[in-house]
Amino acid sequence: GQQLNQSPQSMFIQEGEDVSMNCTSSSIFNTWLWYKQDPGEGPVLLIALYKAGELTSNGRLTAQFGITRKDSFLNISASIPSDVGIYFCAGQLGAGGTSYGKLTFGQGTILTVHP
Amino acid sequence: DSGVTQTPKHLITATGQRVTLRCSPRSGDLSVYWYQQSLDQGLQFLIQYYNGEERAKGNILERFSAQQFPDLHSELNLSSLELGDSALYFCASSVVSQRGLSYNEQFFGPGTRLTVL
Repeated sequence: GQQLNQSPQSMFIQEGEDVSMNCTSSSIFNTWLWYKQDPGEGPVLLIALYKAGELTSNGRLTAQFGITRKDSFLNISASIPSDVGIYFCAGQLGAGGTSYGKLTFGQGTILTVHP
Repeated sequence: DSGVTQTPKHLITATGQRVTLRCSPRSGDLSVYWYQQSLDQGLQFLIQYYNGEERAKGNILERFSAQQFPDLHSELNLSSLELGDSALYFCASSVVSQRGLSYNEQFFGPGTRLTVL
């Protein structure tokens, strides 16, 4: 089945630093999504990407849909303590077949921000 | 608050038992998805329903079943529970595009934490 490799697994940064994480896939996706999860809570959608090459921002967050459709990255600029959490990438085929809306998730990046 | 509600928040039960998890999607969303999150497997897709019909299946065990009712709420039934079924179970919902091909963003509920003793 499809595999998503997300890196890094964890990051320890100082407040104010920029953060970058990425996901690569063994096969293509038609949609890439980035989620943030706090302990004991459900994943919260941060950014959705629909076109290869698309670059989308949401406040201090910027994400890109790789041109090959097999990768995506997420950048967080000027990190703050509330950015702490687990960030997940997710790929979606979204068209036909039996996969439909199924999301395939990466393993997550644990972000720690030191004040 | 995503608008997706799940009950109960926590569930503790014994091996061999059966439980039912409930989900209410966001207002207007026709599609419901169930995911399991465990430490060793991460977030895994279980099953999807759209407007009452099953649309896609993932790695869902035969001991697990789900349904979506006419009011669009969904239930996930887990039976003959084993220790390894202990996990967080999430429900997500989404709208379906006009073309019916793209399922766009999924919004997750707060989850049900199942502990099997």
